[in-house]
Amino acid sequence: AQSVTQPDIHITVSEGASLELRCNYSYGATPYLFWYVQSPGQGLQLLLKYFSGDTLVQGIKGFEAEFKRSQSSFNLRKPSVHWSDAAEYFCAVGAGNQFYFGTGTSLTVIP
Amino acid sequence: EAQVTQNPRYLITVTGKKLTVTCSQNMNHEYMSWYRQDPGLGLRQIYYSMNVEVTDKGDVPEGYKVSRKEKRNFPLILESPSPNQTSLYFCASSQSPAEQYFGPGTRLTVT
Repeated sequence: AQSVTQPDIHITVSEGASLELRCNYSYGATPYLFWYVQSPGQGLQLLLKYFSGDTLVQGIKGFEAEFKRSQSSFNLRKPSVHWSDAAEYFCAVGAGNQFYFGTGTSLTVIP
Repeated sequence: EAQVTQNPRYLITVTGKKLTVTCSQNMNHEYMSWYRQDPGLGLRQIYYSMNVEVTDKGDVPEGYKVSRKEKRNFPLILESPSPNQTSLYFCASSQSPAEQYFGPGTRLTVT
């Protein structure tokens, strides 16, 4: 069965520090991969996506993610975190006609 | 403006009283989907639709119905709501089962 694992429930980083959010998936083929961000009380906004090609993808707000087939991972990174990045982050997999989301990682940014 | 709208945004109801949450998109997307978001569980897909009159079950379809009579609308129907359906519901649409645009969410409480 398809699954998405975000092993970190909550992460705290200092403003200006680098960030990496982990995502692992289980799927027989190469899936479509996504990262979404959800601010409190808001809907989900797409940060970036991977369909094929270059395994390092750039997204909005200075985020990037790298697809590693051998590790079934799609980790999200940002070199310098801003206080406005505090939110919940979801990794998602598109498998066939269905989508599977991870349980989310809550990011706290401290000054 | 391209958007997915949901109504109502907030709803408190009682067990067994039928309700419908509407979802509408103005992007002429073929693919539409419903999710529920619960703390610690992330988003789980309830139903999806590939096009008009084409719907299929997601991961958690029990207790829900959907219909797709028009391309723009994809209502979620709870014929006999129960307290375990208290959740935050999101509708999403996309041109294909890929990058999805999410509505603002409907917070449902069933007492």
